[in-house]
Amino acid sequence: GAGVSQSPRYKVAKRGQDVALRCDPISGHVSLFWYQQALGQGPEFLTYFQNEAQLDKSGLPSDRFFAERPEGSVSTLKIQRTQQEDSAVYLCASSFRSSPRRTEMNTEAFFGQGTRLTVV
Amino acid sequence: AQSVTQLDSQVPVFEEAPVELRCNYSSSVSVYLFWYVQYPNQGLQLLLKYLSGSTLVKGINGFEAEFNKSQTSFHLRKPSVHISDTAEYFCASNTGGFKTIFGAGTRLFVKA
Repeated sequence: GAGVSQSPRYKVAKRGQDVALRCDPISGHVSLFWYQQALGQGPEFLTYFQNEAQLDKSGLPSDRFFAERPEGSVSTLKIQRTQQEDSAVYLCASSFRSSPRRTEMNTEAFFGQGTRLTVV
Repeated sequence: AQSVTQLDSQVPVFEEAPVELRCNYSSSVSVYLFWYVQYPNQGLQLLLKYLSGSTLVKGINGFEAEFNKSQTSFHLRKPSVHISDTAEYFCASNTGGFKTIFGAGTRLFVKA
């Protein structure tokens, strides 16, 4: 597609339920990022993939959060046993570059519209 | 540790007036700085970036920002705003790794 696509756009989950959030990056983009944006806050880094390899997952807030990108394109962020504090917008971004000059990846990252997760 | 502080959570301004959105950063190493805009129900869009070189950076939609190392600031400016500039603006920094650190955002509200 022309841009980064995320689905669903909105998700309401009961506390304790598992959820899966999908990200379709721009075709051919090597780098993929997930961010969490709480209400009234800026996005916070969760994890980074280069193709299918998860090179950094230091931002995942707990072991209930899991991300994968098995074929180096579509990525899924899974949250197990959701809690109210997980309520946020989850943003996905992709970038073409995988240069050793890492800033280039971040300067050309394209963001999706996000998935708004509400845990009740 | 890196951090980004946006000094104003909301900035109301009349159409055609100038605006400045303030951003301060802290880092013990060289940083790369960015401004993003987020329109309602849309993703983040890169407005401009500072990597090196000239401290005055021009971006899209008539915005510009100036990198000031001594004051650790990267304020965003526009000489004349339009109603369509109403959005959330995020300042962000990166020290060359995978993580980009975002500020809490400034909501710009342009009034007719």
